[in-house]
Amino acid sequence: GENVEQHPSTLSVQEGDSAVIKCTYSDSASNYFPWYKQELGKGPQLIIDIRSNVGEKKDQRIAVTLNKTAKHFSLHITETQPEDSAVYFCAASKSSGNTGKLIFGQGTTLQVKP
Amino acid sequence: NAGVMQNPRHLVRRRGQEARLRCSPMKGHSHVYWYRQLPEEGLKFMVYLQKENIIDESGMPKERFSAEFPKEGPSILRIQQVVRGDSAAYFCASSPPTGSGEQFFGPGTRLTVL
Repeated sequence: GENVEQHPSTLSVQEGDSAVIKCTYSDSASNYFPWYKQELGKGPQLIIDIRSNVGEKKDQRIAVTLNKTAKHFSLHITETQPEDSAVYFCAASKSSGNTGKLIFGQGTTLQVKP
Repeated sequence: NAGVMQNPRHLVRRRGQEARLRCSPMKGHSHVYWYRQLPEEGLKFMVYLQKENIIDESGMPKERFSAEFPKEGPSILRIQQVVRGDSAAYFCASSPPTGSGEQFFGPGTRLTVL
């Protein structure tokens, strides 16, 4: 069935360093890949997404890359700040005609040490 | 510019009682998704609804759980005869009718079953 694997489960970096979170998906028909940031006690917040016709997308300190052949996508955060500390989730969906349920990874707890 | 609204934010029920969770989508959004998040886990899809229609309920437990999105008013997730295993955070997400695939999440309802 549909599955998304996410690694690592926890990640600790020093402020200013980069952080990379990786996900793989099983359904080759997936074509939409969002990333969410979830702070304690809050709902997931969409921070960036990428579609299958694009290999890379960047928004300030955040970038996402997609390798369709390997069914692999990654989140890159540069110049990390303490406020980046949160749980990050990747997800995949078959977003055709807006019927796409999101299949989530297990989450990565990112800690940025000042 | 109100986002997705959910209420109540916290709900305590005793085993055997009913739980009703409400979700009002973002203005202009006509698609609603419900997800469940168990402690220390990722989000699991439950059901996808449009106004007056259930589109995909492949993630809903076969018994005790039901969802609706009436023509007027919020979407409701109903859990009958709750058990301790139903304790979780329940998140609602909405998406626009444009077919972009983006889903925006509410703050969640944290259900505790005593």
